Amino acid sequence: KQEVTQIPAALSVPEGENLVLNCSFTDSAIYNLQWFRQDPGKGLTSLLLIQSSQREQTSGRLNASLDKSSGRSTLYIAASQPGDSATYLCAVRGGNQFYFGTGTSLTVIP
Amino acid sequence: GAVVSQHPSWVICKSGTSVKIECRSLDFQATTMFWYRQFPKQSLMLMATSNEGSKATYEQGVEKDKFLINHASLTLSTLTVTSAHPEDSSFYICSAPGQGGHEQYFGPGTRLTVT
Repeated sequence: KQEVTQIPAALSVPEGENLVLNCSFTDSAIYNLQWFRQDPGKGLTSLLLIQSSQREQTSGRLNASLDKSSGRSTLYIAASQPGDSATYLCAVRGGNQFYFGTGTSLTVIP
Repeated sequence: GAVVSQHPSWVICKSGTSVKIECRSLDFQATTMFWYRQFPKQSLMLMATSNEGSKATYEQGVEKDKFLINHASLTLSTLTVTSAHPEDSSFYICSAPGQGGHEQYFGPGTRLTVT
């Protein structure tokens, strides 16, 4: 069964710093990988979707990479802002199922 | 982009009662929808896959008689928590794949509190 792990579990940085969130998965036979943002008590907002044939995707200050062979993905956030504070979840799709990581809780300090 | 809605956004019920949660795809059709449960400070756990016109597929450990799923149309799936207990209190989120099935669109979630 696919297992998805995110490191670190929590991260606190001063405003303006660049940061990297990590996601690893055990089964490299994935269809795609998606990064989400979740604010407290809210649903999920999709940030980036990387197909299994792709290496990276970019949207604004966000860049996600995928190394399927090693079972890793990173989410890079440039010039962090207090509004980036949230929990970030990665999810891998295998077949018709999505497997979620445990999340990284990010706090950006003004 | 595709939008998935859920209703209600939050509900409080007494122990022993049943609660129905609706998940709708607003501008696209979804033959499959997924139901997740999220406990505080934990990630989403898939409960079941809802299939339009057929029975839902439940994940191991999820009681199908307790969590009734009905996918009666291409835009609506419902989850009914029967005989709710305080331990069923959780955040329930549904999702549906968009066209082409690549991306997954999530509803805003329903906060259930059982007293």
